[in-house]
Amino acid sequence: QSALTQPPSASGSLGQSVTISCTGTRSDVGGYNYVSWYQQHPGKAPKLMIYEVSKRPSGVPDRFSGSKSGNTASLTVSRLQVEDEADYYCNSYAGSDSLAFGGGTKLTVL
Amino acid sequence: EVQLVESGGGLVQPGRSLRLSCAASGLTFDDYAMHWVRQAPGKGLEWVSTISWNSGNIGYADSVKGRFTISRDNAKNSLFLQMSSLRPEDTALYYCAKGYCSSTSCSIDSWGQGTLVTVSS
Repeated sequence: QSALTQPPSASGSLGQSVTISCTGTRSDVGGYNYVSWYQQHPGKAPKLMIYEVSKRPSGVPDRFSGSKSGNTASLTVSRLQVEDEADYYCNSYAGSDSLAFGGGTKLTVL
Repeated sequence: EVQLVESGGGLVQPGRSLRLSCAASGLTFDDYAMHWVRQAPGKGLEWVSTISWNSGNIGYADSVKGRFTISRDNAKNSLFLQMSSLRPEDTALYYCAKGYCSSTSCSIDSWGQGTLVTVSS
């Protein structure tokens, strides 16, 4: 079981777009369409933003989108807003009843 | 609205045991897989364990395998994590979390607020 790889930090200007990557292997990200993304503000529980690679739960703004190519999944946040500043974690099913999280990316809105 | 309320955390000495509980409401509990996820202070999320709707499929992170046991009581809408041989590196906020489907492959769509476990002498 290995953690998925995310950049420790990312930044973008207000109103611009930013993309966060999540790299795994064919045993997790590349092998299943069960990639999720979570947003976590300080002191709060995580919140589901994207599931099954690109699906948005009800209530999540369409500024958030997800995609996957091979062993790498991506989260794109468009039209950045101040409230988007948070930690973001990717997650994937990794087979044999196991999940894997990425190390997290701290998003700063400039 | 789904509510997940964890309890049972606290300060425990290395090598001792602790049992976490999670009370679920606002959902048909036995329709969903459930998970435990932990977060050490200032660190990222770490998956701990997963159990399918009928307890037929169970998974553990390598870091806790053989020491932790997940279980559920569908009649009481409750999830449990029995932790034994605790180590200082098990110190973390432990989240109870709901899967968005009945199998262990689906990830998490709802989280509790967490219960803090501190392992220290």
